Amino acid sequence: ETGVTQTPRHLVMGMTNKKSLKCEQHLGHNAMYWYKQSAKKPLELMFVYSLEERVENNSVPSRFSPECPNSSHLFLHLHTLQPEDSALYLCASSQTASGDSYEQYFGPGTRLTVT
Amino acid sequence: TQLLKQSPQFLSIQEGENLTVYCNSSSVFSSLQWYRQEPGEGPVLLVTVVTGGEVKKLKRLTFQFGDARKDSSLHITAAQTGDTGLYLCAGVYNFNKFYFGSGTKLNVKP
Repeated sequence: ETGVTQTPRHLVMGMTNKKSLKCEQHLGHNAMYWYKQSAKKPLELMFVYSLEERVENNSVPSRFSPECPNSSHLFLHLHTLQPEDSALYLCASSQTASGDSYEQYFGPGTRLTVT
Repeated sequence: TQLLKQSPQFLSIQEGENLTVYCNSSSVFSSLQWYRQEPGEGPVLLVTVVTGGEVKKLKRLTFQFGDARKDSSLHITAAQTGDTGLYLCAGVYNFNKFYFGSGTKLNVKP
């Protein structure tokens, strides 16, 4: 596997379900990100992890819970979601989370539908 | 408030035409990147520009960073149907803040 992988690619869940999204990066990067992308809004940064420590949390509802067990893996745990949470969830990684220039590499995303 | 504004939002052109997409801000960015995203996929990095006035070329794509590092443009020459997608600019602001623009959706018709 190369780059950034995400599983599952598609997920349909009811509002009372609990599920998790998984992201893995094979680039040796130290920072990982979760973004939400919906049809009517630009990319929204949700969480940033640097060296497994959460460094940014952009007012995301508590029904989204991130976990970063090591620098290669990132999870997004989901519970009691709302239909408006339906979106493409993108994971990204970068060498660092600070500096004059750091490039992010994205996974293919998980298309989430909440019914 | 969108720190990076892209224009136009939508662009539909015929194959073979030229086009320019703009990314503007009132803030200074230490670097700026352009990504292309195809439906159902993640954004793919095209280029990074770091120096004011810098111009980079990637085949038919020309990227320019403004002298004051507040804006950037992407010019595509002789567009092809394979150029269709969402073009996103993104910039590093204040050393550790990474912002994405709202995107330009390009459709190149055969």
